[in-house]
Amino acid sequence: QVQLQESGPGLVKPSETLSLTCSVSGGSISSSYYWSWIRQSPGKGLEWIGYIYYSGSTNYNPSLKSRVTMSVDTSKNQFSLRLISLTAADTAVYHCARAQRDPWYFDLWGRGTLVTVSS
Amino acid sequence: DIQMTQSPSSVSASVGDRVTITCQASQGISSWLAWYQQKPGKAPKVLIYAASSLQSGVPSRFRGSGSGTDFILTISSLQPEDFATYYCQQANSFPFTFGPGTKVEIK
Repeated sequence: QVQLQESGPGLVKPSETLSLTCSVSGGSISSSYYWSWIRQSPGKGLEWIGYIYYSGSTNYNPSLKSRVTMSVDTSKNQFSLRLISLTAADTAVYHCARAQRDPWYFDLWGRGTLVTVSS
Repeated sequence: DIQMTQSPSSVSASVGDRVTITCQASQGISSWLAWYQQKPGKAPKVLIYAASSLQSGVPSRFRGSGSGTDFILTISSLQPEDFATYYCQQANSFPFTFGPGTKVEIK
């Protein structure tokens, strides 16, 4: 079955850039799904960051739009998140997820990776 | 952004109990609502989408209802594996937003 696995650094310094990758196994990223990032923190709960389609089209949460870039690598069956200018408020568990459209919902999630922003 | 609220924030229940969780949207979202279950250290798992559609493989004791601004998740007979935190999520408009969660604990 399809599985999602996040990877990336667990500790990032304030003002630096976070880069995370989600590897998709058991299925093709070049399918009719929307590949998403969602973060979870005790303070803010679950927060949708945005999605990318395999064609490269994106949709970001306006609250993070100025700092977020998502990309997709169909040859590696991976998609990635880049978040700049980190602060302590960005400390969270970052999940990648697969979204179905019409109706929209997240039908598959990765377990998440904890990212701590600290000097 | 559409704000989602849930009540109660936590509930203590026994195996076999009927549990009801409420989710309210700050504006009408038609039937564009999903429910998720999350256990500690695990990924969230979708239970219900489009307010009342049961995700494949999810037991029929889970039932979703509602439309507009008010929604309910009902667990008809609580099982040991159902102790978890439950979240609602609106899918009517971007940015998608989630409720704060309801923790179902063992009584």
